[in-house]
Amino acid sequence: KQEVTQIPAALSVPEGENLVLNCSFTDSAIYNLQWFRQDPGKGLTSLLLIQSSQREQTSGRLNASLDKSSGRSTLYIAASQPGDSATYLCAADQTGANNLFFGTGTRLTVIP
Amino acid sequence: DTGVSQDPRHKITKRGQNVTFRCDPISEHNRLYWYRQTLGQGPEFLTYFQNEAQLEKSRLLSDRFSAERPKGSFSTLEIQRTEQGDSAMYLCAGGRGVYEQYFGPGTRLTVT
Repeated sequence: KQEVTQIPAALSVPEGENLVLNCSFTDSAIYNLQWFRQDPGKGLTSLLLIQSSQREQTSGRLNASLDKSSGRSTLYIAASQPGDSATYLCAADQTGANNLFFGTGTRLTVIP
Repeated sequence: DTGVSQDPRHKITKRGQNVTFRCDPISEHNRLYWYRQTLGQGPEFLTYFQNEAQLEKSRLLSDRFSAERPKGSFSTLEIQRTEQGDSAMYLCAGGRGVYEQYFGPGTRLTVT
């Protein structure tokens, strides 16, 4: 069974700092890897999706990379802002039907 | 706003009672997913529908759980004979294709 791990569980950074969130998965046979953000008491918002054949995806200040062979993905956030404070979750699609295996998340706090 | 709504937002019930949750995606969402999220964990896949057909069910979906999507529009998730371990956030997501998942705000269930 696929297991997805995210380290660290929580991270606090001062505003303006660049940061990297880590995600690792045990089964490299994935169709895609997605990053979501979750605000307290709310549902998830999709940030980036990397197909298994891709190495990275970028959206604004966010850049996600994927290394299938090592079972790792990273989410890079440039010039962090207080509005980036949220829990960030990575999720692997094992079947191609988008039935996702989620990590436990990294809770990010950006301090003004 | 993803356009996916869930009702109720909160439900408190006594152990042994039956509960039913509803998810309303937008009309273009041919796919519909249910997840369960416990405190401090990432969401866990329960089941998904393509139109009205239930195509996959997780082993987490015990005999006490049943999900329907009768006309390929809204979906219901029923839990019979609730147990304290069922306390969680139940998330619904809709999408038009394999790579889309727009999450609703979730239904928080508390079993006392």
